[in-house]
Amino acid sequence: QKEVEQDPGPLSVPEGAIVSLNCTYSNSAFQYFMWYRQYSRKGPELLMYTYSSGNKEDGRFTAQVDKSSKYISLFIRDSQPSDSATYLCAMTPSGTYKYIFGTGTRLKVLA
Amino acid sequence: DTGVSQNPRHKITKRGQNVTFRCDPISEHNRLYWYRQTLGQGPEFLTYFQNEAQLEKSRLLSDRFSAERPKGSFSTLEIQRTEQGDSAMYLCASSSGGGLDTEAFFGQGTRLTVV
Repeated sequence: QKEVEQDPGPLSVPEGAIVSLNCTYSNSAFQYFMWYRQYSRKGPELLMYTYSSGNKEDGRFTAQVDKSSKYISLFIRDSQPSDSATYLCAMTPSGTYKYIFGTGTRLKVLA
Repeated sequence: DTGVSQNPRHKITKRGQNVTFRCDPISEHNRLYWYRQTLGQGPEFLTYFQNEAQLEKSRLLSDRFSAERPKGSFSTLEIQRTEQGDSAMYLCASSSGGGLDTEAFFGQGTRLTVV
């Protein structure tokens, strides 16, 4: 079993829909949680970063962390075709600086 | 451009050859990371540096792989005697600060193809 589980998709939604992307993890020592967006053949781009349970909002993006359930989510409101990309969750175990990534969820927003 | 810079962007090499990649981190970032990403997978941690010190290496980093950051600025990743299984995107990232609460910024990667 991987430390971080993420549904690979693809997930197809119509333009304007609310998108929900999720990751679960098994290691309770994870304490920092990130979401990255990666376009094809490009490097990952940081979207959201949080270290506590609860919600964090930035424009159309909301990151949610539930440490008790070992579950994190990214919500995208009013999705646009330009949001079509792979979304990667990442987390950091305590005592180390390395990131453990999920496999990524491929999202397609249809115009 | 003040982002993480990686060179070359693409590299095609024959099996058995040595290759070297370079990463220039964001200025004044003291931490530098190398990751490897294969198709359909998330990036996998290889190693990271705090300034010039290599503080952690993954077991994925076999003895054919070596990374350096000689002056605490740019870094190189060398793969000796390349194998077809080494074909992947090699990503470099950097971060700043003294604590764990600093996010890493990635470069565009070097895509390696071993033929």
